[in-house]
Amino acid sequence: DIQMTQSPASLSASVGDRVMITCGTSEAIGRHLNWYQQKPGKAPKLLIYGSSSLQRGVPRRFSGSGSESVFTLTISSLQPEDFATYYCQQVHTPSWTFGQGTKVELK
Amino acid sequence: QVQLVESGGGLVRPGGSLRLSCVASGFTFGDYYMSWVRQAPGKGLEWISSISGSATHTNYADSVKGRFTVSRDNAENSLFLQMNSLTAEDTAVYYCARDKEVYYDAVAYNGNFDNWGQGTLVTVSS
Repeated sequence: DIQMTQSPASLSASVGDRVMITCGTSEAIGRHLNWYQQKPGKAPKLLIYGSSSLQRGVPRRFSGSGSESVFTLTISSLQPEDFATYYCQQVHTPSWTFGQGTKVELK
Repeated sequence: QVQLVESGGGLVRPGGSLRLSCVASGFTFGDYYMSWVRQAPGKGLEWISSISGSATHTNYADSVKGRFTVSRDNAENSLFLQMNSLTAEDTAVYYCARDKEVYYDAVAYNGNFDNWGQGTLVTVSS
């Protein structure tokens, strides 16, 4: 299975901050990477697919970049509703694996 | 709008069995791959099984292969997960998820979960 490494595991930020989360994969996966947001007690929500394509309805302050084995999720200006846990996921090969998650907390 | 509603979770003893269901609405169910994803308490997400729209293709994570069986009834817009030989490590919230097919250079890739149910909790304990 492809191993996923997300960093940091958690971060503290303020409203308006620019936030970047990194995801690394154990082998090259092209652009076959997704990002999800999950709030406590809720199901995950797809934010980004194909490394950089914004899922319909997701605010434009979210963006994704990267290819092969290093990927980044960027929140350009953190909003109160963005405090959550974020997961990357590779879809290059089944079984589809997720990163360990990055918890974004209020500073 | 798309809606996925899971049911069937509960408390089961180690070695026991449970069958989860997921009823879909708001889209043409048979046109989509569907998956089950679970999340142990306080832990991350783990994909465990998927099934093609026509049910001709199924796939499982190593952690559940041979113990879990995914199936679907397109006439009833329903997805199922039969879970046998349960252990404490299977304790989790189980989500069903719709799979959005994404094309890269004209090749379709699955595993992109664009809609999720609210989840159903399975607790394996004596």
